[in-house]
Amino acid sequence: DAKTTQPTSMDCAEGRAANLPCNHSTISGNEYVYWYRQIHSQGPQYIIHGLKNNETNEMASLIITEDRKSSTLILPHATLRDTAVYYCIVRPAGNQFYFGTGTSLTVIP
Amino acid sequence: KAGVTQTPRYLIKTRGQQVTLSCSPISGHRSVSWYQQTPGQGLQFLFEYFSETQRNKGNFPGRFSGRQFSNSRSEMNVSTLELGDSALYLCASRRVAGEARGANVLTFGAGSRLTVL
Repeated sequence: DAKTTQPTSMDCAEGRAANLPCNHSTISGNEYVYWYRQIHSQGPQYIIHGLKNNETNEMASLIITEDRKSSTLILPHATLRDTAVYYCIVRPAGNQFYFGTGTSLTVIP
Repeated sequence: KAGVTQTPRYLIKTRGQQVTLSCSPISGHRSVSWYQQTPGQGLQFLFEYFSETQRNKGNFPGRFSGRQFSNSRSEMNVSTLELGDSALYLCASRRVAGEARGANVLTFGAGSRLTVL
C-alpha cells in the first residue's frame, strides 16, 4: 500500500486558508487520495477525494500535483470548528483504508 | 437517512472478560469495517466484512473477531480482555459499488469506548 507523509501539526489563523500538505511519492495509477478529519473523540468525517484531477466541494479543495506524488487539502476560510486531526489516505481500488497519524490542525482566533 | 449506529457507546470490563460491540451500517451500505483507536497507536484497521465474509484483516491477534449478518449489521468480539484493549472502537460502512464517485467513502459511527480495568 502506498504510504503518506504529513506534518505532525500545523496552526492557522481564523479566517485564513489552511493548506495541509501530503506526500505520497509511491502512489500507483489506480490509487485514490482521500482526506478525512477527526474532531476530538468523534468518528472521522469524510472531506474529499480524488484520483488525478483537482476537486472541490462545499468543505474543501483538493489539489493533486501532475505527477500525483503529493497533494494539498485547502480549507478556504478556516474557523475554530476546523480544529481537528486531518488524515491523508491513499487507497488502492478495492482495498481498505489505512489511516496514519495525520496532521493536527489548530485554528487560532 | 440514519447514520452508522454503534452500541454500546461506553462500557467497562475487567481483564479476562469478553465484549461484543455492535454496528448498524447506513441503509444500502454493504461493507462494514472496524478500527481501534488508542492514543499511542492512532487509528488502526481491524477487519472489513462484505456479504457476510471477512474481506480484509489487520494485524491483530485472534482474540479479535467479527461477523456480519445478512442485513449487513456487524458485531465484533474481543475475548480474554487485556488492559491494552482499552480504546475507542470505530465502525465504518460504505456502499461498495465499484469506484463510482462516492461509492467507497467511509461513513463512521460515533464509536464504542471500552475501558478494561
